[in-house]
Amino acid sequence: AQTVTQSQPEMSVQEAETVTLSCTYDTSESDYYLFWYKQPPSRQMILVIRQEAYKQQNATENRFSVNFQKAAKSFSLKISDSQLGDAAMYFCAYSGFNKFYFGSGTKLNVKP
Amino acid sequence: EPEVTQTPSHQVTQMGQEVILRCVPISNHLYFYWYRQILGQKVEFLVSFYNNEISEKSEIFDDQFSVERPDGSNFTLKIRSTKLEDSAMYFCASRGTAQGLTGYTFGSGTRLTVV
Repeated sequence: AQTVTQSQPEMSVQEAETVTLSCTYDTSESDYYLFWYKQPPSRQMILVIRQEAYKQQNATENRFSVNFQKAAKSFSLKISDSQLGDAAMYFCAYSGFNKFYFGSGTKLNVKP
Repeated sequence: EPEVTQTPSHQVTQMGQEVILRCVPISNHLYFYWYRQILGQKVEFLVSFYNNEISEKSEIFDDQFSVERPDGSNFTLKIRSTKLEDSAMYFCASRGTAQGLTGYTFGSGTRLTVV
């Protein structure tokens, strides 16, 4: 069964600094997708970044980038130049073309 | 950009009452989903729906739950007799038929409070 593990329940970062959120997953499939979602207090799910497993190149979206290690089944999110607006819950998610499996989330605090 | 629309954004209901949560998926999408997130917990898959029938459901999706696409645009989740533990955020999602998951879109959620 597919599982997604986020081992950091909460993290803090100083504004303008860089922070990395960890995620590992377990699957027997060879082709799949990985995602990071941001959930602010409004509890809306906002897509941050997506990675296709068949692509070796790590995805980037402005200040957000991932470190995808397929053999290690690791998918970490790096946030550069952290901003106050980045404070939220971050969920890692896996999908094998249909339903999503989510991790338990990491609460990110950004200190001014 | 196309959106998945969910209504209401917040619903309060008494235990034992029936509730219907509504979703309008993106117009050319054919696969529909409901997820649930109990406060402080992870988002969990409830059910997927394709071609007017359930294609997969989780253990959570028991006989109290049902889904329907009544008119070709709405996609509804009905809870027949709500329990306190049904209090959660409910997310609808939809996707098209393109290869991969480009376009898999979540709605902004309905917060259900059972009192």
